[in-house]
Amino acid sequence: AQKVTQAQTEISVVEKEDVTLDCVYETRDTTYYLFWYKQPPSGELVFLIRRNSFDEQNEISGRYSWNFQKSTSSFNFTITASQVVDSAVYFCALSEANAGGTSYGKLTFGQGTILTVHP
Amino acid sequence: DAGVIQSPRHEVTEMGQEVTLRCKPISGHDYLFWYRQTMMRGLELLIYFNNNVPIDDSGMPEDRFSAKMPNASFSTLKIQPSEPRDSAVYFCASSFRGFNEQFFGPGTRLTVL
Repeated sequence: AQKVTQAQTEISVVEKEDVTLDCVYETRDTTYYLFWYKQPPSGELVFLIRRNSFDEQNEISGRYSWNFQKSTSSFNFTITASQVVDSAVYFCALSEANAGGTSYGKLTFGQGTILTVHP
Repeated sequence: DAGVIQSPRHEVTEMGQEVTLRCKPISGHDYLFWYRQTMMRGLELLIYFNNNVPIDDSGMPEDRFSAKMPNASFSTLKIQPSEPRDSAVYFCASSFRGFNEQFFGPGTRLTVL
């Protein structure tokens, strides 16, 4: 069964610090998809990034960057020069094929990491 | 374009009552998902549909829960009878193809007294 572990329950940093959120996953599939979502205090879930299992290139988007390493089954997320607006719960998620191999919709979420950025 | 629309945004009901949550996915999306979020269990997938057909309902907690998708633009999640332990935020999400990003609605906060 698929599993996503976000070992850091809560992280607290001061503005402008860099912070890395860890995500480790377990899957038996060779084809799968990884996601990061942000849930700000308002409660909605905001999509940040998707990665497929065949693309190990790191990605940078502004202050955000992601490091995908299949060898360690990790998909870590780094925020550079954090800001107060980055305060939120961040979820890592894994999508595997269903039993028939016809659909990849089933997302398994980690427990989330609460990030608090202090001014 | 409108995002995923859920109604109601808040629902307070008494134990034993029937609750119906509604969702309108993003037009053109062929997958629809229902999730439940609680402090204890986090975000759990309850059921998802592809082209209005239920694909996986293994996350539906028990027979008191049912979901339907009569057409591509509407889905319901029904709880009958409701119990206090059903109190949670219920999210609906949709995507184009199952492996693409899912777009979430604002959620329905359900409180069962």
